[in-house]
Formats: sequence, C-alpha cells, structure tokens
Amino acid sequence: LAKTTQPISMDSYEGQEVNITCSHNNIATNDYITWYQQFPSQGPRFIIQGYKTKVTNEVASLFIPADRKSSTLSLPRVSLSDTAVYYCLVGSDNAGNNRKLIWGLGTSLAVNP
Amino acid sequence: EPEVTQTPSHQVTQMGQEVILRCVPISNHLYFYWYRQILGQKVEFLVSFYNNEISEKSEIFDDQFSVERPDGSNFTLKIRSTKLEDSAMYFCASSPIILGGYTFGSGTRLTVV
Repeated sequence: LAKTTQPISMDSYEGQEVNITCSHNNIATNDYITWYQQFPSQGPRFIIQGYKTKVTNEVASLFIPADRKSSTLSLPRVSLSDTAVYYCLVGSDNAGNNRKLIWGLGTSLAVNP
Repeated sequence: EPEVTQTPSHQVTQMGQEVILRCVPISNHLYFYWYRQILGQKVEFLVSFYNNEISEKSEIFDDQFSVERPDGSNFTLKIRSTKLEDSAMYFCASSPIILGGYTFGSGTRLTVV
C-alpha cells in the first residue's frame, strides 16, 4: 500500500483558492487517489477521486501529473466551513481486491475570516 | 443523499463489558468496513466485509472483536470484553462495487470507564 505525505497544516482566508499537495512516490499502477474531508467528531466525507490528469466535481478539483507521484486537491474560494482535516489516500479500488486504506494524519486546514 | 446510519451515537461502558455497535450501510453497497479513531489520532482500519465474510482485518482486530451482518440491512461490530484503550470513535463505512469513495457514518463514540 502506497504511503502518502501531506503538510500537517495550512492556513487560508475566505474567498481564496487552497491547494493541498500530497506525495505518493510508491503509487502502484492500479492505485487510485482519493481525498476525504473530516470535521471534528464526524466521519470522513468523500470529496473526490482520480487516477490521472484532472478530475473536477462541484466541490473540488484534483490534479494528477503524468508520473502520478503526487496529487493536488484544489478547493476554490474557500469559506469558514471548509475548515477541516483533509486526507489523501492511495489504494486500489478494483472489485475483488482487499480494500484497506492506510490513513495518515491529514492536513488540517484553517480558513480565517 | 443516501446515508450510513450508526447507533448509538455515544456509548459508555465499564471495562470488561461487551458492546455492540450498530450500522446500517447504504442499501445497494456491497463492501462494509469498520474504522476507529482515537481522539486526535489517525483513522485506523479494523475490518472489511464482503459477501458475508471478512475480507481483511488489521492487527487491531483481535479475538475480542467480531463483525456480523445478521440480516440484509444491519452490520454490527462486537467487542467482547472492552478495555480502556478501546475508547475511540468507531466509524462504519460502505462502498459500492464500482469505483467510488467510501460513505462513512457519523460514528459511535465509545467510552470505556
């Protein structure tokens, strides 16, 4: 299972774009990259998942370079409610495989007024 | 939006007692998981369950733990003889067979006294 490295914390201000980068040098061919958000005392919430290039949904964008050894979660125009911990996970998501994911400490994002 | 439901939200138990944590996964999901998170620490994988059997478990998931899907909707985690160090948030999650992230429940805060 690929290990990930992310900054422990980040600070931002309302209305700014926030980019959180995750390193996963040992990513395997079958691995996908998934990001979750967690508020205190709540379960993690799925944000976005990708394999390569760029993925965008209504919440965020995920940029993955060609070598796939890193990925960047982009949150456009953050608000105070985006203050949370963001986790980057790498693992295979194919049916039939054991779907255990290793969680790191994540990136604690603080959005200031 | 479909949800994973966990009950109770908070349980206090005496050391040595048995506890059962309950989860109702999303109805058309096929993979089920239990994770735990000790306050301020990482999300830790406990067990994954597919096709009515455990597909993988971590070293945390020792003989004191068991999981069951007693009917078509519930998914339970039993801790036979609780220890102080079992105090944590326990999260149930489910996922579909096709690509996608996990959906987590809001968790059960277990306090062992």
